[in-house]
Amino acid sequence: DIQMTQSPSSLSASVGDRVTITCRASQSINSFLNWYQQKPGKAPNLLIYAASSMQSGVPSRFSGRGSGTDFTLTINSLQPEDFATYFCQQSYSAPPTFGQGTKLEMK
Amino acid sequence: EVQLLESGGGLVQPGGSLRLSCAASGFTFSSCGMSWVRQAPGEGLEWVSSISGSDGSTYADSVKGRFTISRDNSKNTMFLQMSSLRAEDTAIYYCVKEDCKSKLTTFDYWGHGTLVTVSS
Repeated sequence: DIQMTQSPSSLSASVGDRVTITCRASQSINSFLNWYQQKPGKAPNLLIYAASSMQSGVPSRFSGRGSGTDFTLTINSLQPEDFATYFCQQSYSAPPTFGQGTKLEMK
Repeated sequence: EVQLLESGGGLVQPGGSLRLSCAASGFTFSSCGMSWVRQAPGEGLEWVSSISGSDGSTYADSVKGRFTISRDNSKNTMFLQMSSLRAEDTAIYYCVKEDCKSKLTTFDYWGHGTLVTVSS
């Protein structure tokens, strides 16, 4: 199975900050990398697919990049509603696997 | 609007069985792969099982031989039959729609989840 490792596990930031979350795959997954946002008590929500394509309705302050084994999710100008947990997931090979999550907290 | 509504969760004793259902609407159900993804309390996300539009299925090693995924395309419903349940199966189980166009395991819509608790 492909192991996905996110860093950091938690992150404190303020409204208006720019933050970057990293996801690393244990082997090359080309660009088959998705990002999800999960708010407390809610189901995850797809933000970005294929490493850099934004899901419909996702604000443009979210962006993703990377290929191979290293990927990033960047949020520009953090808004109060962005404080949540973020997960990466590879769709390159079965079984699909997730990173352990990055909890973005308000400073 | 895509909607996924899970049901069937609850409290079950170790070794017991439970059947989850997921009623889907708002898309051409038979054309899309569907999955179950679970999340133990306070933990991350774990893929459990997937079923293609033509009934091909795959399972995580942790549930293989104990869980069975199925679907009824005439009723736009997916199921997860869980047996020989263990404490470590305790989790919120999410019904998830896969991206229909790419046929990749990109989970583009999620249900609200149903809680399964395995405890004596």
